[in-house]
Amino acid sequence: EVQLVESGGGLVQSGESLTLSCTASGFSVSNNYINWVRQAPGKGLEWVSLISSGGDTYYADSVKGRITISRHNSKNTVYLQMDSLKTEDTAVYYCARELWSAGYRAGALDLWGQGTLVTVSS
Amino acid sequence: DIVMTQSPDSLAVSLGERATINCKSSQSLLYSYNNKNYLAWYQQKPGQPPKLLIHWASIRESGVPDRFSGSGSGTEFTLTISSLQAEDVAVYYCQQYYSSHLITFGQGTRLEIK
Repeated sequence: EVQLVESGGGLVQSGESLTLSCTASGFSVSNNYINWVRQAPGKGLEWVSLISSGGDTYYADSVKGRITISRHNSKNTVYLQMDSLKTEDTAVYYCARELWSAGYRAGALDLWGQGTLVTVSS
Repeated sequence: DIVMTQSPDSLAVSLGERATINCKSSQSLLYSYNNKNYLAWYQQKPGQPPKLLIHWASIRESGVPDRFSGSGSGTEFTLTISSLQAEDVAVYYCQQYYSSHLITFGQGTRLEIK
Protein backbone atom coordinates (compact mmCIF):
# COMPACT_ATOMS: atom_id res chain seq x y z
CA GLU A 1 0.00 0.00 0.00
CA VAL A 2 1.26 3.46 -0.89
CA GLN A 3 1.30 5.54 2.26
CA LEU A 4 3.17 7.97 4.50
CA VAL A 5 3.33 7.53 8.25
CA GLU A 6 4.52 10.29 10.57
CA SER A 7 5.88 9.72 14.06
CA GLY A 8 7.85 11.49 16.75
CA GLY A 9 5.39 14.08 17.93
CA GLY A 10 4.82 14.80 21.58
CA LEU A 11 4.83 17.37 24.36
CA VAL A 12 7.96 19.44 24.79
CA GLN A 13 8.91 22.63 26.56
CA SER A 14 9.66 25.87 24.82
CA GLY A 15 13.27 25.95 23.66
CA GLU A 16 13.59 22.18 23.38
CA SER A 17 14.14 20.08 20.27
CA LEU A 18 12.17 17.34 18.56
CA THR A 19 12.67 15.23 15.45
CA LEU A 20 9.74 14.02 13.40
CA SER A 21 9.90 11.07 11.02
CA CYS A 22 7.94 10.41 7.84
CA THR A 23 8.25 6.84 6.59
CA ALA A 24 7.02 5.92 3.15
CA SER A 25 5.65 2.63 1.90
CA GLY A 26 5.00 1.64 -1.67
CA PHE A 27 7.28 4.24 -3.22
CA SER A 28 10.73 5.72 -2.75
CA VAL A 29 11.22 9.05 -1.00
CA SER A 30 14.50 9.49 -2.84
CA ASN A 31 12.64 9.80 -6.16
CA ASN A 32 10.04 12.23 -4.89
CA TYR A 33 9.58 15.71 -3.48
CA ILE A 34 8.46 15.40 0.13
CA ASN A 35 6.95 18.31 2.03
CA TRP A 36 6.05 19.03 5.64
CA VAL A 37 2.86 20.99 6.26
CA ARG A 38 1.54 21.93 9.68
CA GLN A 39 -1.83 22.88 11.08
CA ALA A 40 -2.20 24.65 14.39
CA PRO A 41 -5.27 23.64 16.43
CA GLY A 42 -8.39 24.99 14.75
CA LYS A 43 -6.34 26.84 12.13
CA GLY A 44 -5.46 26.51 8.46
CA LEU A 45 -2.62 24.81 6.66
CA GLU A 46 0.92 26.19 6.66
CA TRP A 47 3.69 24.84 4.45
CA VAL A 48 6.88 24.27 6.43
CA SER A 49 9.58 22.59 4.36
CA LEU A 50 10.47 20.60 1.25
CA ILE A 51 13.21 18.18 0.27
CA SER A 52 13.56 17.54 -3.43
CA SER A 53 14.51 14.29 -5.09
CA GLY A 54 17.94 15.80 -5.61
CA GLY A 55 18.29 16.59 -1.92
CA ASP A 56 17.75 20.35 -2.17
CA THR A 57 15.97 21.77 0.86
CA TYR A 58 13.61 24.70 1.30
CA TYR A 59 11.99 26.30 4.33
CA ALA A 60 9.23 28.71 5.23
CA ASP A 61 10.50 31.99 6.63
CA SER A 62 8.69 31.26 9.90
CA VAL A 63 10.92 28.26 10.64
CA LYS A 64 14.13 29.04 8.76
CA GLY A 65 17.16 28.57 10.98
CA ARG A 66 15.28 26.43 13.48
CA ILE A 67 14.17 23.49 11.34
CA THR A 68 16.18 21.06 9.22
CA ILE A 69 14.73 18.59 6.75
CA SER A 70 16.73 15.52 5.79
CA ARG A 71 16.33 12.10 4.27
CA HIS A 72 17.60 8.56 4.87
CA ASN A 73 17.16 6.72 1.61
CA SER A 74 17.72 3.17 2.87
CA LYS A 75 15.11 3.71 5.61
CA ASN A 76 12.82 5.39 3.08
CA THR A 77 12.26 8.10 5.65
CA VAL A 78 12.26 11.90 5.71
CA TYR A 79 13.02 13.73 8.95
CA LEU A 80 12.14 17.14 10.32
CA GLN A 81 14.47 18.25 13.07
CA MET A 82 12.98 21.11 15.03
CA ASP A 83 15.14 23.14 17.40
CA SER A 84 14.41 26.09 19.69
CA LEU A 85 10.73 25.22 19.63
CA LYS A 86 8.22 27.94 20.38
CA THR A 87 4.64 27.72 21.61
CA GLU A 88 3.51 28.88 18.16
CA ASP A 89 5.03 25.71 16.68
CA THR A 90 2.23 23.73 18.33
CA ALA A 91 0.45 21.94 15.48
CA VAL A 92 -0.27 18.70 13.72
CA TYR A 93 2.61 18.09 11.35
CA TYR A 94 1.83 16.29 8.11
CA CYS A 95 4.27 14.99 5.53
CA ALA A 96 3.02 14.99 1.98
CA ARG A 97 4.28 13.92 -1.43
CA GLU A 98 4.24 16.22 -4.40
CA LEU A 99 2.39 15.09 -7.49
CA TRP A 100 4.11 14.80 -10.85
CA SER A 101 1.86 14.94 -13.87
CA ALA A 102 2.71 14.53 -17.55
CA GLY A 103 6.39 14.85 -16.73
CA TYR A 104 6.03 18.13 -14.82
CA ARG A 105 6.00 18.96 -11.14
CA ALA A 106 2.34 19.69 -10.45
CA GLY A 107 2.94 21.66 -7.25
CA ALA A 108 0.07 19.81 -5.58
CA LEU A 109 0.31 17.32 -2.73
CA ASP A 110 -1.35 14.05 -3.63
CA LEU A 111 -0.41 11.77 -0.73
CA TRP A 112 -0.59 12.80 2.92
CA GLY A 113 0.14 11.04 6.16
CA GLN A 114 -2.25 11.12 9.10
CA GLY A 115 -0.09 13.64 10.94
CA THR A 116 1.70 13.79 14.26
CA LEU A 117 0.88 16.30 16.98
CA VAL A 118 3.58 18.52 18.43
CA THR A 119 2.67 20.47 21.54
CA VAL A 120 5.08 23.08 22.86
CA SER A 121 4.39 24.33 26.35
CA SER A 122 5.75 27.45 27.96
CA ASP B 1 5.38 35.88 -1.08
CA ILE B 2 2.20 35.00 -2.92
CA VAL B 3 -0.94 35.55 -0.84
CA MET B 4 -3.99 33.39 -1.43
CA THR B 5 -7.38 34.78 -0.40
CA GLN B 6 -10.48 32.61 -0.36
CA SER B 7 -14.06 33.76 -0.29
CA PRO B 8 -16.32 33.30 1.49
CA ASP B 9 -14.83 32.17 4.80
CA SER B 10 -17.91 30.03 5.37
CA LEU B 11 -20.77 28.89 3.23
CA ALA B 12 -24.08 27.13 3.88
CA VAL B 13 -25.76 25.45 0.94
CA SER B 14 -28.84 23.23 0.70
CA LEU B 15 -28.44 19.60 -0.31
CA GLY B 16 -28.53 19.25 -4.06
CA GLU B 17 -27.69 22.89 -4.65
CA ARG B 18 -24.52 24.39 -6.11
CA ALA B 19 -21.64 25.50 -3.92
CA THR B 20 -19.02 27.92 -5.20
CA ILE B 21 -15.76 28.82 -3.50
CA ASN B 22 -13.43 31.47 -4.86
CA CYS B 23 -9.68 31.83 -4.54
CA LYS B 24 -7.66 34.86 -5.54
CA SER B 25 -3.90 34.99 -5.83
CA SER B 26 -1.77 38.08 -5.35
CA GLN B 27 0.07 37.23 -8.57
CA SER B 28 -0.50 35.09 -11.62
CA LEU B 29 -0.09 31.35 -11.16
CA LEU B 30 0.18 30.68 -14.89
CA TYR B 31 3.50 29.17 -15.89
CA SER B 32 4.30 30.16 -19.44
CA TYR B 33 6.63 27.21 -20.06
CA ASN B 34 3.84 24.65 -19.85
CA ASN B 35 0.74 26.89 -19.85
CA LYS B 36 -0.45 25.43 -16.55
CA ASN B 37 -1.99 27.26 -13.62
CA TYR B 38 -0.31 26.02 -10.45
CA LEU B 39 -3.43 26.04 -8.30
CA ALA B 40 -4.76 23.07 -6.32
CA TRP B 41 -7.87 22.46 -4.25
CA TYR B 42 -8.13 20.28 -1.15
CA GLN B 43 -10.94 19.00 1.02
CA GLN B 44 -10.35 18.44 4.73
CA LYS B 45 -12.78 16.72 7.03
CA PRO B 46 -12.41 16.81 10.84
CA GLY B 47 -9.60 14.66 12.15
CA GLN B 48 -8.35 13.83 8.66
CA PRO B 49 -5.49 15.08 6.52
CA PRO B 50 -6.33 17.17 3.48
CA LYS B 51 -7.37 15.33 0.35
CA LEU B 52 -6.28 16.59 -3.06
CA LEU B 53 -9.30 17.21 -5.28
CA ILE B 54 -7.94 19.19 -8.21
CA HIS B 55 -4.55 20.21 -9.53
CA TRP B 56 -3.52 22.61 -12.30
CA ALA B 57 -6.73 24.52 -11.55
CA SER B 58 -9.05 22.11 -13.35
CA ILE B 59 -7.64 18.56 -13.39
CA ARG B 60 -9.74 16.38 -11.14
CA GLU B 61 -7.93 13.61 -9.29
CA SER B 62 -8.83 10.00 -9.87
CA GLY B 63 -11.74 8.94 -7.69
CA VAL B 64 -13.01 12.46 -7.04
CA PRO B 65 -16.71 12.71 -7.93
CA ASP B 66 -17.43 14.67 -11.07
CA ARG B 67 -19.68 17.07 -9.17
CA PHE B 68 -16.40 18.74 -8.16
CA SER B 69 -14.89 21.02 -10.79
CA GLY B 70 -12.24 23.69 -10.88
CA SER B 71 -11.92 26.67 -13.16
CA GLY B 72 -10.06 29.92 -13.57
CA SER B 73 -6.70 31.17 -14.72
CA GLY B 74 -4.06 33.69 -13.76
CA THR B 75 -5.13 35.09 -10.41
CA GLU B 76 -8.76 34.06 -9.99
CA PHE B 77 -9.99 30.53 -9.48
CA THR B 78 -13.19 28.76 -8.50
CA LEU B 79 -14.10 25.40 -6.99
CA THR B 80 -17.67 24.37 -7.79
CA ILE B 81 -19.66 21.53 -6.30
CA SER B 82 -22.56 21.13 -8.68
CA SER B 83 -24.95 19.30 -6.39
CA LEU B 84 -24.02 19.32 -2.73
CA GLN B 85 -24.06 16.01 -0.91
CA ALA B 86 -23.97 15.50 2.86
CA GLU B 87 -20.47 14.00 2.64
CA ASP B 88 -19.14 17.22 1.11
CA VAL B 89 -19.31 19.05 4.44
CA ALA B 90 -15.69 20.00 5.04
CA VAL B 91 -13.18 22.80 4.93
CA TYR B 92 -11.82 23.53 1.46
CA TYR B 93 -8.40 25.05 0.78
CA CYS B 94 -6.81 26.41 -2.33
CA GLN B 95 -3.03 26.20 -2.64
CA GLN B 96 -0.51 27.72 -5.00
CA TYR B 97 2.90 26.64 -6.13
CA TYR B 98 4.58 29.16 -8.31
CA SER B 99 8.00 30.33 -7.38
CA SER B 100 10.98 29.54 -5.21
CA HIS B 101 9.56 26.14 -4.36
CA LEU B 102 7.27 27.78 -1.82
CA ILE B 103 3.73 26.64 -1.30
CA THR B 104 1.02 28.79 0.25
CA PHE B 105 -2.56 27.95 1.14
CA GLY B 106 -5.68 30.01 1.30
CA GLN B 107 -7.22 30.50 4.74
CA GLY B 108 -9.90 27.88 4.09
CA THR B 109 -13.64 27.93 3.45
CA ARG B 110 -15.96 26.03 5.76
CA LEU B 111 -18.84 24.43 3.86
CA GLU B 112 -21.97 23.41 5.73
CA ILE B 113 -25.48 22.21 4.94
CA LYS B 114 -28.22 24.83 5.10
